[in-house]
Amino acid sequence: EIVLTQSPATLSLSPGERATLSCRASQSLNTYLAWYQQKPGQAPRLLIYDASNRATGVPARFTGSGSGTDFTLTISSLEPEDFGVYYCQQRSNSPPECTFGGGTKVEIK
Amino acid sequence: VQLVESGGGLVKPGGSLRLSCAASGFTFSSYNMNWVRQTPGRGLEWVASISRSTNYIYYADSLKGRFTISRDNVKNLLYLQMNSLRVEDTAVYYCVRDAYASSWFSNWFDPWGQGTLVTVSS
Repeated sequence: EIVLTQSPATLSLSPGERATLSCRASQSLNTYLAWYQQKPGQAPRLLIYDASNRATGVPARFTGSGSGTDFTLTISSLEPEDFGVYYCQQRSNSPPECTFGGGTKVEIK
Repeated sequence: VQLVESGGGLVKPGGSLRLSCAASGFTFSSYNMNWVRQTPGRGLEWVASISRSTNYIYYADSLKGRFTISRDNVKNLLYLQMNSLRVEDTAVYYCVRDAYASSWFSNWFDPWGQGTLVTVSS
């Protein structure tokens, strides 16, 4: 099983600040990694797929980067609606087992 | 595109429950589908996946033999039959679509349903 380790667990920032979230995989994923945003009481929402592609409707302030085992999600300037929990996710090809990282909570400082 | 889960509730350990997911707004029979659950302690956990033609079905190793995923492409419904439920199965269960229509499973999920809460307790 591929393990995804996210850091930090919690990020306390103010609106307007830059957020940098990390996801490290136990095996190389090439670029097959996605990021999701989850707000309280809501389901996760796809933000970034294939490591660096923004999903439909995702603002340009969200940038994904990385390949292999190290990936980063950057929020260039935090907006109030960006606070929540962010998860990375990968899926193996065969069998198509899926794992998620433990999440990074971005909270208002 | 909408996914609406139902069937959650309170069940005693050892009991059974069947979750349903009603899909609308897209061609259900063209997409592989999945169940993912979430607990405060274990976070997000993939449960099971089923291909669009039901040819391929996969489960998380820890759940094999107790859970069964199925679908009805005429009624646009996805199911999860859960037997021999344990306290640790307590979670919000999400119905999740593969991000793109393909004969094999896509690498990411989009969209997610709103989830249904399953509580296993005596």
